Amino acid sequence: SQTIHQWPATLVQPVGSPLSLECTVEGTSNPNLYWYRQAAGRGLQLLFYSVGIGQISSEVPQNLSASRPQDRQFILSSKKLLLSDSGFYLCARQIGGMNTEAFFGQGTRLTVV
Amino acid sequence: QKEVEQNSGPLSVPEGAIASLNCTYSDRVSQSFFWYRQYSGKSPELIMSIYSNGDKEDGRFTAQLNKASQYVSLLIRDSQPSDSATYLCAVNGFTGGGNKLTFGTGTQLKVEL
Repeated sequence: SQTIHQWPATLVQPVGSPLSLECTVEGTSNPNLYWYRQAAGRGLQLLFYSVGIGQISSEVPQNLSASRPQDRQFILSSKKLLLSDSGFYLCARQIGGMNTEAFFGQGTRLTVV
Repeated sequence: QKEVEQNSGPLSVPEGAIASLNCTYSDRVSQSFFWYRQYSGKSPELIMSIYSNGDKEDGRFTAQLNKASQYVSLLIRDSQPSDSATYLCAVNGFTGGGNKLTFGTGTQLKVEL
């Protein structure tokens, strides 16, 4: 199984509150893992990607962070949410190197109020 | 210049017609290319992958790649109403930190009865 688990499916959080979204994957070890955000009616914005435990590359503003404490676990966090953080958060995995497909979890729809 | 560009659409085609979706990318060293379909409110699902210049066919779908011109396209033959969705082009490149899978903003396709 190459299943990707994301939770929760939906989340409503007040401005200034913390955030923790978790993604866990099954199957092949040492996958490449990604966090994307999709704002309403927009494309996928790459937030973070990771090629291994503790290895995180960032593409985004400072109020979001990511961690990879275990091979198959990827966590997205924020200390203080902004209204602009609302969106559809997607975790994706690639099993191997550059020429492998990426598969997505079911996503978390976050609304910051 | 955006790394991966697509026309946002909507692209409207009658049922049974051929839908043609296009994508251009800026990074000449990109090695692999993907098309995803995304229904409203759902996560993207992989349709096609292509790595070499030329055409690749899978059922009603044909992906076309031209690395010299830096474009990739997707043809959908015998379009069905169930094909109505947003189609995302993705390009896999390599940075100092490893793999980086970048998406275009997507083209909305509407197949009309």
